[in-house]
Amino acid sequence: EVQLVESGGGLVQPGGSLRLSCAASGFTFSSYVMTWVRQGPGKGLEWVSLISDSGDTAFYADSVRGRFTISRDNSKNTVYLQMNSLRVEDTAVYYCAKRLTAVPSTPNYFDYWGQGILVTVSS
Amino acid sequence: DIQLTQSPSFLSASVEDRVTITCRASQGISSSLAWYQQKPGKAPKLLIYAASTLQSGVPSRFSGSGSGTEFTLTISGLQPEDFATYYCQQVNSYPITFGQGTRLEIK
Repeated sequence: EVQLVESGGGLVQPGGSLRLSCAASGFTFSSYVMTWVRQGPGKGLEWVSLISDSGDTAFYADSVRGRFTISRDNSKNTVYLQMNSLRVEDTAVYYCAKRLTAVPSTPNYFDYWGQGILVTVSS
Repeated sequence: DIQLTQSPSFLSASVEDRVTITCRASQGISSSLAWYQQKPGKAPKLLIYAASTLQSGVPSRFSGSGSGTEFTLTISGLQPEDFATYYCQQVNSYPITFGQGTRLEIK
């Protein structure tokens, strides 16, 4: 059974940092692109970042580029999101998700999602 | 960035109704579109990908169509468990974007 479990969320002051983790199980983690998507309170879904299966390529939304860094440790089946210079508008539930297929160069549809972790940025 | 506009934003319907949600892209995205269902407090669930391919385990009352800039999600014979918020997502180019969502409620 595929499982994705996020951790590391919480309350942080503006300008602070937080690192989210997403522990994966039930599939060959190192073969799959992984992504982070967030949802602000009462708002829609916003894609944040994506990392290739090997970890050598990453993409970011403009709203987080330069502040957030996605990474992965395939030996630990875990993907991370390092969030620096946090702003009030980064307050959201953050989800990690896996790509539908392991086939390279196929579209980034996401079939399994974690339960989400809340990040609150407030003074 | 490719903008996705869903219509309507809110939809009220009854069990057994047939409903259609539209997603329009600001530029052509071929068939690189997915539909997700989200219930309150839960993670999104993939329903349809590549515009019209039903994800494994999703009931056949869900169907998708379209290509280019206009796409539709149709639910034929609404069931109580279908009342949720639906999002389209384009994966044609970065940044990946989602529509603003369509909230489907029981009439």
